[in-house]
Amino acid sequence: AQSVAQPEDQVNVAEGNPLTVKCTYSVSGNPYLFWYVQYPNRGLQFLLKYITGDNLVKGSYGFEAEFNKSQTSFHLKKPSALVSDSALYFCAVRAAGTYKYIFGTGTRLKVLA
Amino acid sequence: NAGVTQTPKFQVLKTGQSMTLQCAQDMNHNSMYWYRQDPGMGLRLIYYSASEGTTDKGEVPNGYNVSRLNKREFSLRLESAAPSQTSVYFCASKDNTGIAAFFGQGTRLTVV
Repeated sequence: AQSVAQPEDQVNVAEGNPLTVKCTYSVSGNPYLFWYVQYPNRGLQFLLKYITGDNLVKGSYGFEAEFNKSQTSFHLKKPSALVSDSALYFCAVRAAGTYKYIFGTGTRLKVLA
Repeated sequence: NAGVTQTPKFQVLKTGQSMTLQCAQDMNHNSMYWYRQDPGMGLRLIYYSASEGTTDKGEVPNGYNVSRLNKREFSLRLESAAPSQTSVYFCASKDNTGIAAFFGQGTRLTVV
């Protein structure tokens, strides 16, 4: 069965500092991995995805994520956080050849001015 | 460029009432999904439709029914609403060549 774990309910970081939001996954077969962001009272916006190839993927708004197959992790990173990055972040996995996206419980990122 | 459109945006129901949540996408996507979002539980898949004419249960299908009316539209029906169905409902779609799913703005449903 597929599953996604986001171990931190909330991450606080000072503006200008690097940020990391953690995600680990479990899936049979090759994983497709995703990060989405949700601002208050809005739908989920796609940030980035890993399908295959380079383990470091770059996405929207300066975010990137590192795929680590041995640790089954896909952590979201940004070198310098902005106050406007404050939002709810979701990690998701879909096994190749399937249709179901399984989401984590979300991590609230708070960037402090 | 509408993307995925959900109606209504807000709804209050009394226990036992029925209603249908509507979802339409204008991206010619094959696959469509219904999720519910609850605090501390992330998004849970209710039903999905891999293509027009097919529907499958997700993680939490009890109390819901769906209809894939055509390629554009995928509706979610609550036959007899319960307070446990108070949630924010999201519709999403994905095409066969794309990888990521794209989400609507959500429907906030309260059952009293």
